[in-house]
Amino acid sequence: AQSVTQPDIHITVSEGASLELRCNYSYGATPYLFWYVQSPGQGLQLLLKYFSGDTLVQGIKGFEAEFKRSQSSFNLRKPSVHWSDAAEYFCAVGAKGNNDMRFGAGTRLTVKP
Amino acid sequence: KAGVTQTPRYLIKTRGQQVTLSCSPISGHRSVSWYQQTPGQGLQFLFEYFSETQRNKGNFPGRFSGRQFSNSRSEMNVSTLELGDSALYLCASSLVPGLGEQYFGPGTRLTVT
Repeated sequence: AQSVTQPDIHITVSEGASLELRCNYSYGATPYLFWYVQSPGQGLQLLLKYFSGDTLVQGIKGFEAEFKRSQSSFNLRKPSVHWSDAAEYFCAVGAKGNNDMRFGAGTRLTVKP
Repeated sequence: KAGVTQTPRYLIKTRGQQVTLSCSPISGHRSVSWYQQTPGQGLQFLFEYFSETQRNKGNFPGRFSGRQFSNSRSEMNVSTLELGDSALYLCASSLVPGLGEQYFGPGTRLTVT
């Protein structure tokens, strides 16, 4: 069965500092992996996705993520965080052929000025 | 291009009542999925529709149902509401199922009293 673990419930970083949000997944085949961001009272916005190919994927807003099959991980990174990045971040895993995505519990990011 | 729209945005219902939520996908998108988001259970997949047919269903009781119309608009219905049904209900659309890239609406916040 598909599952996603985001080990960090809450992370606080200073503005301008680098960021890494962790995501581990469990899936029998090659997964489709996603990172979404949700601001308070809003829906989810897709940051980036991995289907196949290059294991380092670039997304919007300066985010990138690296797929590591050996570690079953898909960590999200950003070199310099902006105050507007404060939000909740969700990692998700999906399967080829359907839209049934399994989400992690989310990591809430706080940015200190 | 307009995004996914959901109506209403907020709803208050009483236990035992039923509720219908509506979702209009992005123009040209034919697949619609529904998710429930609660603080305790996180984001959970409800069901997915494509070409007016339910393709997948999550692990929810039969009180939760949905349908899709020929113009790809979708509705979900919850009958005999329970307090635990209070949640943010998110709709997501994609061009076709299985490509994985879904675009989310802002959600409908349902409160059951």
